[in-house]
Amino acid sequence: SQQGEEDPQALSIQEGENATMNCSYKTSINNLQWYRQNSGRGLVHLILIRSNEREKHSGRLRVTLDTSKKSSSLLITASRAADTASYFCATDEGYKYIFGTGTRLKVLA
Amino acid sequence: ETGVTQTPRHLVMGMTNKKSLKCEQHLGHNAMYWYKQSAKKPLELMFVYSLEERVENNSVPSRFSPECPNSSHLFLHLHTLQPEDSALYLCASSQAPGTYNEQFFGPGTRLTVL
Repeated sequence: SQQGEEDPQALSIQEGENATMNCSYKTSINNLQWYRQNSGRGLVHLILIRSNEREKHSGRLRVTLDTSKKSSSLLITASRAADTASYFCATDEGYKYIFGTGTRLKVLA
Repeated sequence: ETGVTQTPRHLVMGMTNKKSLKCEQHLGHNAMYWYKQSAKKPLELMFVYSLEERVENNSVPSRFSPECPNSSHLFLHLHTLQPEDSALYLCASSQAPGTYNEQFFGPGTRLTVL
């Protein structure tokens, strides 16, 4: 089955900087979702982008999707300490979603 | 996190014990999921229920037994587990099991098998 793979595995930045995370997948998709997980907690849905969309915004989040390269990126602008978390992409496979291993983001105050 | 609740939040059990994890969703959703999250591994989908019917069983060992008595409740019965089963077990729900559906996750149960 296909799997989203996030890159980098870990990222450490200063507060106020932008953070970019990438996700690559293997087969064609209908949509891709990004989720955030605070340490040891459940995942929280951030944004869904459909295969016919190239870019989507939600507050300080910007997601892009390039279906020709089978990749997506999540940009968090003006990061805050509260953005410290793991971020996962999830790609659809039939009626279910396949999650990657995630990017651990640490924002230093 | 009040949309999907999980109990207990932490569980320590021996290999010969029998225990159950409980999940409840208050969102009126029709699909529920069990995931296993181990360190440095992708989130593993274990079971999917749609309208109380199991639609996916991802080659999960029989020592894990799910139960979905109604669309709001999901259980995971555990027996004779192994130490490698120690992980964070996450429950999720969505409006339907199909694509384009956002999943809402519970806070998880941290399971330790001694």
